[in-house]
Amino acid sequence: DTGVSQDPRHKITKRGQNVTFRCDPISEHNRLYWYRQTLGQGPEFLTYFQNEAQLEKSRLLSDRFSAERPKGSFSTLEIQRTEQGDSAMYLCASSLVTSGASYTGELFFGEGSRLTVL
Amino acid sequence: AQSVTQPDIHITVSEGASLELRCNYSYGATPYLFWYVQSPGQGLQLLLKYFSGDTLVQGIKGFEAEFKRSQSSFNLRKPSVHWSDAAEYFCAVASYRSASKIIFGSGTRLSIRP
Repeated sequence: DTGVSQDPRHKITKRGQNVTFRCDPISEHNRLYWYRQTLGQGPEFLTYFQNEAQLEKSRLLSDRFSAERPKGSFSTLEIQRTEQGDSAMYLCASSLVTSGASYTGELFFGEGSRLTVL
Repeated sequence: AQSVTQPDIHITVSEGASLELRCNYSYGATPYLFWYVQSPGQGLQLLLKYFSGDTLVQGIKGFEAEFKRSQSSFNLRKPSVHWSDAAEYFCAVASYRSASKIIFGSGTRLSIRP
């Protein structure tokens, strides 16, 4: 059973460097989400894709953040010029939504990529 | 905009005791409501969800939750907790119109006393 996988699991970087996270969703899932979670908080919505189209972005997602899902399969989240405030767990989730089907609302989460900015 | 409040940051219960985790939501129309669990080193997992119909919903691992519209609440319950239930629990809401975006509460950490 292949779930959602994220890579790397942990990234330590210096302030000002760029980092990129990759997410491989469950293969048949057409929706892919990125969330950010800081210590003691719940996941905060960042953005989501339906196939390759990015349909919504949170205001939390500054210009330094960019996400792509070029072929509607895996996705990347890039953070440019990292700041210490970017330190967090970045969570990816996927789901399957088909037209005419009942909405299940279930997101399948990966284990996350933890970013530490020094 | 929808929001979720989990008033209890940390709860400790004895193994075998009953559990209730509180969740209050803010949303003008009929919400979709969820409870997710996050165990250490694991991804979030859906415990149960409410969309419509019977206000008492059953989930996995023996959990249930009751939707109370008048109180804007969706509390999670379990009659007898096990040590393996120790985890972080998140209540979440999605709007009926924009079911794509799920908003999470800040979570309640559950510890189990032997």
